[in-house]
Amino acid sequence: DIQMTQSPSSLSASVGDRVTITCQASQHIGTYLNWYQQKPGKAPKLLIYDVFNLKTGVPSRFSGGGSGTHFTFTISSLQPEDIATYYCQQYDNLPYTFGQGTKLDSK
Amino acid sequence: EVQLVESGGGLVQPGRSLRLSCAASGFSFGDYAMTWVRQAPGKGPEWVGLIRNNAYGGTTEYVASVKGRFTISRDDSKSIVYLQMNSLRSEDTGVYYCTLMDREWGKGTTVTVSS
Repeated sequence: DIQMTQSPSSLSASVGDRVTITCQASQHIGTYLNWYQQKPGKAPKLLIYDVFNLKTGVPSRFSGGGSGTHFTFTISSLQPEDIATYYCQQYDNLPYTFGQGTKLDSK
Repeated sequence: EVQLVESGGGLVQPGRSLRLSCAASGFSFGDYAMTWVRQAPGKGPEWVGLIRNNAYGGTTEYVASVKGRFTISRDDSKSIVYLQMNSLRSEDTGVYYCTLMDREWGKGTTVTVSS
């Protein structure tokens, strides 16, 4: 199975900060990478698919990049409603696998 | 608008069975693969399995930890996908979500395996 390693596992930031999370795949996954946001008690919500494509309705302050095995997720200017846990997921090889998550909280 | 509504969760003893359902609406159900994802308490999501649409044979794939115990099926006439879970273990406890190709998710249904 492909291992997805996110860093950091937790992060404190202030409103307006630029926040970046990384995701490293244990093998090449092309562009088959999603990023999700999850708030407590809610289902994960897809924000970005195919590495950098924003799902319709997702604010443009969210962005994704990278290729191969190294990927990034960035919030350009953190908003209060962005406090959540974020996960990457590869869907290149079965079984599709998630990173362990990055918990983002308010400084 | 895509809607996915899971049901069938509950408290079940180890070794017993449970069947989850996911009722879909707002899209052409028969044209898409559907997946199940679960999340244990305090943990990240875990992909459980998928069922392809009939154009791809309606074939299924599973994560190793559930292979041979869980079965995904679909009824395109009712727009429902099922997850039959047999020989349940305590480690199967969690919230179970159905998803439309990981892009749209239901709210989930909770399964607790405990004596």
